[in-house]
Amino acid sequence: DAKTTQPTSMDCAEGRAANLPCNHSTISGNEYVYWYRQIHSQGPQYIIHGLKNNETNEMASLIITEDRKSSTLILPHATLRDTAVYYCIVSLTGANNLFFGTGTRLTVIP
Amino acid sequence: DAGVTQSPTHLIKTRGQQVTLRCSPKSGHDTVSWYQQALGQGPQFIFQYYEEEERQRGNFPDRFSGHQFPNYSSELNVNALLLGDSALYLCASSSRTGRFSGDTEAFFGQGTRLTVV
Repeated sequence: DAKTTQPTSMDCAEGRAANLPCNHSTISGNEYVYWYRQIHSQGPQYIIHGLKNNETNEMASLIITEDRKSSTLILPHATLRDTAVYYCIVSLTGANNLFFGTGTRLTVIP
Repeated sequence: DAGVTQSPTHLIKTRGQQVTLRCSPKSGHDTVSWYQQALGQGPQFIFQYYEEEERQRGNFPDRFSGHQFPNYSSELNVNALLLGDSALYLCASSSRTGRFSGDTEAFFGQGTRLTVV
């Protein structure tokens, strides 16, 4: 599976949109982009995934560039409970041998 | 619907001992993966079980072994514990489609915090 590059940390004001970038320049054509997050002392939680098209669910939106070399996770109205480490993962499936890396630590500030 | 459950939640063992961690997958899931998460690091893949067999393995020594039962639950065994085995051990379950498909996601348990002293 291809590896990803994410900023180490980011801050976001409560109520504002949080935009978390991810570079995955070596992604192959059949690999998906997955996002998981891990709130302190809990297991990782699935957020969203996509292949080519932008995706939206009740938690977030995923914007994937046309060349698929990068993506952005958007939390539209960040709350304090969104403070967590966010992992961008590229994978043939979202469940096998996930390579987490070190992720982005998002801190939502009141 | 109970999600992924792991037991115990915390465990303290002495160096050289053996430990067994347990995982019950989410209802309807047949595949279990185990991860090790050291403090300040992302989870690292240990291995995956499907149909009671180890299907994939990460870069972990043979001291780490596992088992999957007919009801899809799983155990992780670690022999000859080292201080460096202290970590959060996470179990993730998923549903295997029979071929690679991107439309799957893993559901994680809360983990077992293992401390080796």
